Amino acid sequence: GAGVSQSPSNKVTEKGKDVELRCDPISGHTALYWYRQSLGQGLEFLIYFQGNSAPDKSGLPSDRFSAERTGGSVSTLTIQRTQQEDSAVYLCASSFSPGRPGEQYFGPGTRLTVT
Amino acid sequence: GENVEQHPSTLSVQEGDSAVIKCTYSDSASNYFPWYKQELGKGPQLIIDIRSNVGEKKDQRIAVTLNKTAKHFSLHITETQPEDSAVYFCAASVADGLTFGKGTHLIIQP
Repeated sequence: GAGVSQSPSNKVTEKGKDVELRCDPISGHTALYWYRQSLGQGLEFLIYFQGNSAPDKSGLPSDRFSAERTGGSVSTLTIQRTQQEDSAVYLCASSFSPGRPGEQYFGPGTRLTVT
Repeated sequence: GENVEQHPSTLSVQEGDSAVIKCTYSDSASNYFPWYKQELGKGPQLIIDIRSNVGEKKDQRIAVTLNKTAKHFSLHITETQPEDSAVYFCAASVADGLTFGKGTHLIIQP
């Protein structure tokens, strides 16, 4: 079946503008995760959803970052007043086994460039 | 919180030789340890994982070992091939989110 999809694949924005990144998880996966990957770095956990609720928002780097999930499926990550240090690849993953460590399947990511 | 260290950051091996990547973790409650392979421009792909109730798991040329006492786990790739060239990430998890190592760039020399 279809894997995790993300859009857009690339986004270039000017400093100070808001951006929205979208994630479509694998059908039937109730858990959804957002990560950030800076150039040459590992993956930094941002936020986790179980259904539509986010029990863990600890990884969001500032109050400019927010995320929501509706209908237990699609999620959007919003970055307000973007800064150059927000430039990174934003990865989404989904999992069938929330609350118990389970396989996370990643999308291809959105490469965000803030100029 | 959990902290995962991964070594080496870059590993170059001759085609056909074996490659070993090592990770340590800090939280003794972690009980799930996946390994991901990331090719250029793509998202990470799960290649193998191990849970804390086993010490070793093998899938064709790939194997993972876990030492819970020492809190370290390793990825072993035998008979390396050019398509094994990628960045490999280890991770550890207690419940929900994964904590990743910083990655190992594996280069397979022809």
